[in-house]
Amino acid sequence: DTGVSQDPRHKITKRGQNVTFRCDPISEHNRLYWYRQTLGQGPEFLTYFQNEAQLEKSRLLSDRFSAERPKGSFSTLEIQRTEQGDSAMYLCASSSRRAGGRISYNEQFFGPGTRLTVL
Amino acid sequence: GQSLEQPSEVTAVEGAIVQINCTYQTSGFYGLSWYQQHDGGAPTFLSYNALDGLEETGRFSSFLSRSDSYGYLLLQELQMKDSASYFCAVRAAGNKLTFGGGTRVLVKP
Repeated sequence: DTGVSQDPRHKITKRGQNVTFRCDPISEHNRLYWYRQTLGQGPEFLTYFQNEAQLEKSRLLSDRFSAERPKGSFSTLEIQRTEQGDSAMYLCASSSRRAGGRISYNEQFFGPGTRLTVL
Repeated sequence: GQSLEQPSEVTAVEGAIVQINCTYQTSGFYGLSWYQQHDGGAPTFLSYNALDGLEETGRFSSFLSRSDSYGYLLLQELQMKDSASYFCAVRAAGNKLTFGGGTRVLVKP
């Protein structure tokens, strides 16, 4: 357990429905990242926040995807009008300038992920 | 854009040494990270190299050559619990990580 939690762990939905996932990072971490991972592939960057500011979004992220981190703590990722191609594991990670006693943003701590299945 | 290449699978026996190579093409390179992921689990951080050379952490070591756009992860004294997927990842500005496709390591008795 890295200290990053995600909810729900599994989500099954029908095509066209909206879904929302939540991530609670390690409390003192000011950076939060969202990734998507499909079977047999590495995680793919979606977006990241520093505190409440969303600083970068992947060009792969369509306008059906939106993420928020309203108070610089937890974050939500919403997918509107889901498609079968959205089926994947959605991973959240957090990092801090000081992590594990080391001064570094380099170590990202990943949550267990939310597995989305779109039928 | 960024791209990373690493072997898809490696098989070795307990106690052996395995080297996983990673070559990358990238703009805005800050460093190379390595993550381990067991089936059904989340990626966990192993190491990070920003400068050329070897970093050693217990049984695992990581190497970087920036001029060759190349790095490797060395797993020594392999144990059954080391069976997992290993990802190299390039760190760009803002700490964004771009991951390779992963190398599945299978350790046999």
